[in-house]
Amino acid sequence: QKEVEQNSGPLSVPEGAIASLNCTYSDRVSQSFFWYRQYSGKSPELIMSIYSNGDKEDGRFTAQLNKASQYVSLLIRDSQPSDSATYLCAVNQGGSTLGRLYFGRGTQLTVWP
Amino acid sequence: GAVVSQHPSRVICKSGTSVKIECRSLDFQATTMFWYRQFPKQSLMLMATSNEGSKATYEQGVEKDKFLINHASLTLSTLTVTSAHPEDSSFYICSARSPPGLAGTGYNEQFFGPGTRLTVL
Repeated sequence: QKEVEQNSGPLSVPEGAIASLNCTYSDRVSQSFFWYRQYSGKSPELIMSIYSNGDKEDGRFTAQLNKASQYVSLLIRDSQPSDSATYLCAVNQGGSTLGRLYFGRGTQLTVWP
Repeated sequence: GAVVSQHPSRVICKSGTSVKIECRSLDFQATTMFWYRQFPKQSLMLMATSNEGSKATYEQGVEKDKFLINHASLTLSTLTVTSAHPEDSSFYICSARSPPGLAGTGYNEQFFGPGTRLTVL
């Protein structure tokens, strides 16, 4: 059973703060890791992908991957009210699974002004 | 790049009718597309994996005769909800798997369409 667990939330932070979202996964052979943002009533939008251990930064977003600990996180710096959404962690094993993603249940983030 | 469209965005139909939803990758070819369903305040549920030129692979519990999937070309997959009932009312979202070189990462990525909101009366 491939499981992806996210901190349940909801997470509430003030504007300008750092929001930290965490995710663990059960399948050690997982190769690709993604963070999607989903606004209420909309479809998921890919915001970060990470494939190797360490940090990957893109603007205000930083993804961190630790394969030994089977842990991936997303940091949002200088959080804005427009960041308020549900963040989905997704993991892909690769190989025969033909790109299927396994999703966590999502963490709802609220950034208050 | 990496744009996926869905049509229609919203559909209301009567119970017992069939509804077809189209998913298109606009600027890349997708040998694999995925169909998801999402009920309010719930997580995404994968319904099936659609492979160009072959039969779709359905997840356990998803009726293949009710949810017909056709992936006739590298840019188009369709989902037909046959004999729809009110319990089929949901948000249906497709995604397309991009080629490894598209995002410059050397890996496949998955991009979602905007979704289709189905209401069955």
